[in-house]
Amino acid sequence: NAGVMQNPRHLVRRRGQEARLRCSPMKGHSHVYWYRQLPEEGLKFMVYLQKENIIDESGMPKERFSAEFPKEGPSILRIQQVVRGDSAAYFCASSPPTGTFVDEQFFGPGTRLTVL
Amino acid sequence: DAKTTQPTSMDCAEGRAANLPCNHSTISGNEYVYWYRQIHSQGPQYIIHGLKNNETNEMASLIITEDRKSSTLILPHATLRDTAVYYCIVRGRSSNTGKLIFGQGTTLQVKP
Repeated sequence: NAGVMQNPRHLVRRRGQEARLRCSPMKGHSHVYWYRQLPEEGLKFMVYLQKENIIDESGMPKERFSAEFPKEGPSILRIQQVVRGDSAAYFCASSPPTGTFVDEQFFGPGTRLTVL
Repeated sequence: DAKTTQPTSMDCAEGRAANLPCNHSTISGNEYVYWYRQIHSQGPQYIIHGLKNNETNEMASLIITEDRKSSTLILPHATLRDTAVYYCIVRGRSSNTGKLIFGQGTTLQVKP
């Protein structure tokens, strides 16, 4: 059973370009979370999605950032017009469907975004 | 979600038990204590969680005080591979609040 997969693992963009980060949750998981870790800082929650729905986006920057989790395919975190301050590690996590209490989130290996 | 306080760093000798404390004095009755760790830039890894009873699994033990205002994560026989940042997180029980709020955690250095 494959774990949470993220790609690319490393992404380099120039200022003003777009960055697309992909996350494939574990099989059977319908909840996806995105977290960001800036250099030398802790992990910060960004957004929580279920299939085709954004449940909590309280941690998302108001501009340039968006996330989706379509019915089919991976979850996508999209950053438009990237700036150097967006350079960070972006982690995706998944958890099983609602119904029973969600005990744990399984994290992917992360995508390291570098903005030149 | 309740706030947690952890020491910034700790050392432990290889093969000895590592005891990582966490204070969560404002925890409410339906909030659980979770522990995750992050090994050098990897994705965080779930360790254990509990409500009020002590818990044990293949990785660690969790001891929660009777008043639930603090807890201790115990790695019974620490190895060099246990060197990581350990996060204590308190989270309520709700299907709409799945997010984890990470503090600064405790950097555990296991030494030979």
